[in-house]
Amino acid sequence: EVQLLESGGGLVQPGGSLRLSCAASGFTFSSNSMTWVRQAPGKGLEWFSTITGSGVATYYADSVKGRFTISRDNSKNTLYLQMNSLRAEDTAVYYCARPRGSGGLYYFDSWGQGTLVTVSS
Amino acid sequence: EIVMTQSPATLSVSPGERATLSCRASQSVSSNLAWYQQKLGQAPRLLLYGASTRATGIPARFSGSGSGTEFTLTISSLQSDDFAVYYCQQYNNWPLYTFGQGTKVEIK
Repeated sequence: EVQLLESGGGLVQPGGSLRLSCAASGFTFSSNSMTWVRQAPGKGLEWFSTITGSGVATYYADSVKGRFTISRDNSKNTLYLQMNSLRAEDTAVYYCARPRGSGGLYYFDSWGQGTLVTVSS
Repeated sequence: EIVMTQSPATLSVSPGERATLSCRASQSVSSNLAWYQQKLGQAPRLLLYGASTRATGIPARFSGSGSGTEFTLTISSLQSDDFAVYYCQQYNNWPLYTFGQGTKVEIK
């Protein structure tokens, strides 16, 4: 059974930093791209970052480019998200998700339970 | 960016009735369209991909149709467990995947 477990969320001041983790199990982690999706309170879903299985290639939405960094440690089956220069509009539940498909045509078949990040003074 | 527009925003349906949800893309996404269900306080759950293929374990009462820019999710006979928010997602525009704003299916 695929399991994804996020951690690291919390309250942070504007301009601050936070690092999220997503521990994966139940599948061959290193063979899979991984993705972060977020959901602001009462709002819809927003894809914002994907990393390939090897970690060589990363992709970001404009909303986080230059501030967030996605990475992974395949020896630990763990996905990371380093968030810097946080803004109030980054307040959201952050989900890690496993993409499925091929050739970059990915939907998301497994999701973690999410971790809440609140950016406020 | 491909904009996904879902309608209606809220759908009031009685248990046992059929629910029809729409999703429109601002440009063609071929059949690269997925549907998700999200219950309050939970993560999204994949229902359909490829516009019409049910994900593992999804009941047959969930069906999808469409291609290009117009898509439909149909729940043939609503059960109490189906009252939730439903999102469509296009995955034709790598890597800028986008979701619709959601349709809430509530009890009438």
